[in-house]
Amino acid sequence: GAVVSQHPSWVICKSGTSVKIECRSLDFQATTMFWYRQFPKQSLMLMATSNEGSKATYEQGVEKDKFLINHASLTLSTLTVTSAHPEDSSFYICSAHPIAGAYEQYFGPGTRLTVT
Amino acid sequence: AQSVTQLGSHVSVSEGALVLLRCNYSSSVPPYLFWYVQYPNQGLQLLLKYTSAATLVKGINGFEAEFKKSETSFHLTKPSAHMSDAAEYFCAVSGSSGDKLTFGTGTRLAVRP
Repeated sequence: GAVVSQHPSWVICKSGTSVKIECRSLDFQATTMFWYRQFPKQSLMLMATSNEGSKATYEQGVEKDKFLINHASLTLSTLTVTSAHPEDSSFYICSAHPIAGAYEQYFGPGTRLTVT
Repeated sequence: AQSVTQLGSHVSVSEGALVLLRCNYSSSVPPYLFWYVQYPNQGLQLLLKYTSAATLVKGINGFEAEFKKSETSFHLTKPSAHMSDAAEYFCAVSGSSGDKLTFGTGTRLAVRP
């Protein structure tokens, strides 16, 4: 149980285009989903916290107009990187916190974004 | 506010040796503490968690950690390292259930044959 999927697992796009990454909790409902960014050989940096049906809360320094987050249902959150540039290339990981019972977050497998 | 310090960005042990990965935390409220493992190009897998119950926490794959409030520590140990334990390990803290996690900088564990 407690499986989180991400799609796509990797994507290559051209500079200036937009990319959407999906995060789904497959066997539970999530009150909250989190989006992290991880540079090579570094730790995870929280980008934003997303709650179903409300606006995401972005961490300081994260451009909300560039990284659009939509949490349309209790099992789906999406991150759209708009007008991507090479410096947006990174590993993006989502996590989900179940509605009931668990203290921990469950993490997706990550999405490798490369902007050329 | 919470923060986590992981001492040692790289740790190397021989197969069969004790694994000790250090984590110290700072929290203005009673913390929830977690250890996650990450294999290359993958997401994070929960090893174990402390949520104010037993101070000695046992996790998966033979790992355990002890919460020591007086030392503000939550070190991860395993009695005997296996080659498959080679990975990146992250300690994380939150202030409440479902709250955002603050991660340490990670420790890369290498296991020598």
